[in-house]
Amino acid sequence: GAGVSQSPSNKVTEKGKDVELRCDPISGHTALYWYRQSLGQGLEFLIYFQGNSAPDKSGLPSDRFSAERTGGSVSTLTIQRTQQEDSAVYLCASSLGGTSFSYEQYFGPGTRLTVT
Amino acid sequence: SQQGEEDPQALSIQEGENATMNCSYKTSINNLQWYRQNSGRGLVHLILIRSNEREKHSGRLRVTLDTSKKSSSLLITASRAADTASYFCATDASDMRFGAGTRLTVKP
Repeated sequence: GAGVSQSPSNKVTEKGKDVELRCDPISGHTALYWYRQSLGQGLEFLIYFQGNSAPDKSGLPSDRFSAERTGGSVSTLTIQRTQQEDSAVYLCASSLGGTSFSYEQYFGPGTRLTVT
Repeated sequence: SQQGEEDPQALSIQEGENATMNCSYKTSINNLQWYRQNSGRGLVHLILIRSNEREKHSGRLRVTLDTSKKSSSLLITASRAADTASYFCATDASDMRFGAGTRLTVKP
């Protein structure tokens, strides 16, 4: 079946603009995760959804970042008033369960965000 | 702070040699996972080991876990050029954080 998909694959935006990143998880996966990866770095955890609720938002870097998930499926990550330091690859993953992050995560290809 | 820390940061070996990467973590975990990332296939799950397991095998991969030392190792035997990638460990704990990874280069 289809894997995790993300759109857009690339996004270039001007500083101060808002952006929306989309993630379509694997059908039937109840858990969904957002990460950020800067060039040559590891993954920075942002937020995790179990169904439509987000038990852990502790990784969101500032209040300019928000995420929602509707219908237990698609999720959007919104960054308001983008800054140059927001430039990174934003990765989405989904898994069957996730109450204790004890399931294999399937990653999407990522959205490369460049803030100019 | 990052929960999983890998070492070495970079490793370069010849095809056919074994590669060992280590991961240390800070707090008690229920499981630890290893992932691989290369430009062709993105991030892919390799293996999950639970806190009550000491060793796990998958093909040419062998993972060990020492909860008393809060460390894990990933051994890739008989390496191939296609194993060139970054390898990350990740733990559950109260969240799942990835370390900066080990960059493995396998020379043909």
